[in-house]
Amino acid sequence: SAVISQKPSRDICQRGTSLTIQCQVDSQVTMMFWYRQQPGQSLTLIATANQGSEATYESGFVIDKFPISRPNLTFSTLTVSNMSPEDSSIYLCSATDGLLGNTEAFFGQGTRLTVV
Amino acid sequence: DQQVKQNSPSLSVQEGRISILNCDYTNSMFDYFLWYKKYPAEGPTFLISISSIKDKNEDGRFTVFLNKSAKHLSLHIVPSQPGDSAVYFCAATGGTSYGKLTFGQGTILTVHP
Repeated sequence: SAVISQKPSRDICQRGTSLTIQCQVDSQVTMMFWYRQQPGQSLTLIATANQGSEATYESGFVIDKFPISRPNLTFSTLTVSNMSPEDSSIYLCSATDGLLGNTEAFFGQGTRLTVV
Repeated sequence: DQQVKQNSPSLSVQEGRISILNCDYTNSMFDYFLWYKKYPAEGPTFLISISSIKDKNEDGRFTVFLNKSAKHLSLHIVPSQPGDSAVYFCAATGGTSYGKLTFGQGTILTVHP
């Protein structure tokens, strides 16, 4: 199984600022994803991080607000831009190497973001 | 539109007894289902999965049952242990969304000694 490290693990940020979250996987993986878990809610997919090209965003999420990079097969970043208190959530990086069923989707420990 | 639903927000079970967590889905394109366990301040940890070509998958104390006609799956934990106390998420994927997981709301399981 892949080991996924996220940094920072938590942060408290002022509204209007931006935070970049890093996700490092200990092996090359095919697919990387970013999820959000708002307080008391389930996990919601933000986007698929595509290696060497623009991320694919889910409905309700846009690149200007959540720019994503994936420069190689082991690393990705998510930026939460122009933050407001509504962005206070846990942000989770996920990765899978191959077809689900042959392998599984693994998660980092999450980044707990509080916007004040 | 909640495509994956866990209708029980919480479940309390005595140690040694069976825990049954339920999950319903509405999207017929889903063909692969996963269960994750999540402790506070940690990311979800994969527990067990099942493909739509099966109706049961077992791994130690954990068994997942899939009823495709009812679009229902359940996770059985036998025997339950206090260390199983966590939030359990059901997730699904399939069709054009393959690889992207749709999660249920989660069920808080508490196992009492």
